[in-house]
Amino acid sequence: QSALTQPASVSGSPGQSLTISCTGTSSDVGGYNYVSWYQQHPGKAPKLMIYDVSKRPSGVSNRFSGSKSGNTASLTISGLQAEDEADYYCSSYTSSSISYVFGTGTKVTVL
Amino acid sequence: QVQLVQSGSELKMPGASVKVSCKASGYTFTNYPMNWVRQAPGQGLEWMGWINTNTGNPTYAQGFTGRCVFSLDTSVNTAYLQISSLKAEDTAVYYCARGGSNGYYRGSDYWGQGTLVAVSS
Repeated sequence: QSALTQPASVSGSPGQSLTISCTGTSSDVGGYNYVSWYQQHPGKAPKLMIYDVSKRPSGVSNRFSGSKSGNTASLTISGLQAEDEADYYCSSYTSSSISYVFGTGTKVTVL
Repeated sequence: QVQLVQSGSELKMPGASVKVSCKASGYTFTNYPMNWVRQAPGQGLEWMGWINTNTGNPTYAQGFTGRCVFSLDTSVNTAYLQISSLKAEDTAVYYCARGGSNGYYRGSDYWGQGTLVAVSS
């Protein structure tokens, strides 16, 4: 199965908002509400930030929000902070091979 | 508190096998599926598959069938990943990650610290 498509990098200044896109197909992102987002700092394990498109696990800042339109999911970080600088990956259930797929990853830089 | 603790780094020769362990604590092991994820150096996350911790039934992603085996020892709340006939391109950090109670795809909320497997002659 092919990876979901994310921009390689996005950047923003502290306090700003930024949005990361995750584009798939009707067999994955567009067909199911099972999109998750993960944050990964260098040398660390990924951390779940959003699941089921827009739900936040306990303990995750409400500055992180998720949404979906058609075959594209989005993660928005509001009030950008230095600690948000990390790699972000989306993921989705896919009916193709009845499995699961990650996005290509996006490096977020806080200017 | 929920924890997944993985075994330590491994250095293996090409053609050898490796077995990575993932010991769970702080929750009922058989109530949550376990995913396995690979991350090659400088690369993104790649889903390898999952194992039903209630039945022991594994499901492998395309590209991970044949040389990878997921297994369990529920008596010690531990999941295992075994990779045989190792190749240089298997060099990566391998993660176990707890799936959602309602589906392995419903977000992995706890992750092991990762196990580096390096394959080199």
